[in-house]
Amino acid sequence: NAGVMQNPRHLVRRRGQEARLRCSPMKGHSHVYWYRQLPEEGLKFMVYLQKENIIDESGMPKERFSAEFPKEGPSILRIQQVVRGDSAAYFCASSPSTGGAVGYTFGSGTRLTVV
Amino acid sequence: DQQVKQNSPSLSVQEGRISILNCDYTNSMFDYFLWYKKYPAEGPTFLISISSIKDKNEDGRFTVFLNKSAKHLSLHIVPSQPGDSAVYFCAASALGNQFYFGTGTSLTVIP
Repeated sequence: NAGVMQNPRHLVRRRGQEARLRCSPMKGHSHVYWYRQLPEEGLKFMVYLQKENIIDESGMPKERFSAEFPKEGPSILRIQQVVRGDSAAYFCASSPSTGGAVGYTFGSGTRLTVV
Repeated sequence: DQQVKQNSPSLSVQEGRISILNCDYTNSMFDYFLWYKKYPAEGPTFLISISSIKDKNEDGRFTVFLNKSAKHLSLHIVPSQPGDSAVYFCAASALGNQFYFGTGTSLTVIP
């Protein structure tokens, strides 16, 4: 009964490169959420997706960031032309429905370092 | 705009004593609240929740209290154990939408 799987665990990118972060939700979960934790800060909501649909992207920066959750395969958070300020821990969470009684199940995160 | 606030970044408690972690929120539409626990290099794990129709929920050593009029919730851990040392996040949502998280409180339980 695998939990939420995120990979890679650590990702180093040079400024200007692209970063791709992957998230496989728990089996049976169709809702995926991406959160970002900057150093010394809490978890900031970025985007909420269901299969093939973006439900809420109010927390996504307007430029360079995109997310998808295709019919087949993991959810992908893509950051183009990374900058130093993108360095953070990115957490993916999944739920069988809209959170509710059990909230989310989180993955272990991807730590992005931009050099 | 931080809708969920944890004003104490850290807390130290002696083993066996009570730990009280506090959380305030601003959005009166929030109707569901959770506490998550996070160890370094791991994702947050769900600890306990409470809906707005209740003012208390208890699960073993963990109790969450909700004061809707004050827009305040707290997590009590009794008795505190060294393994409880972690960062604790409170989170709130409205009508089943996405959760807003506080900035976390780092709890250290001293043996």
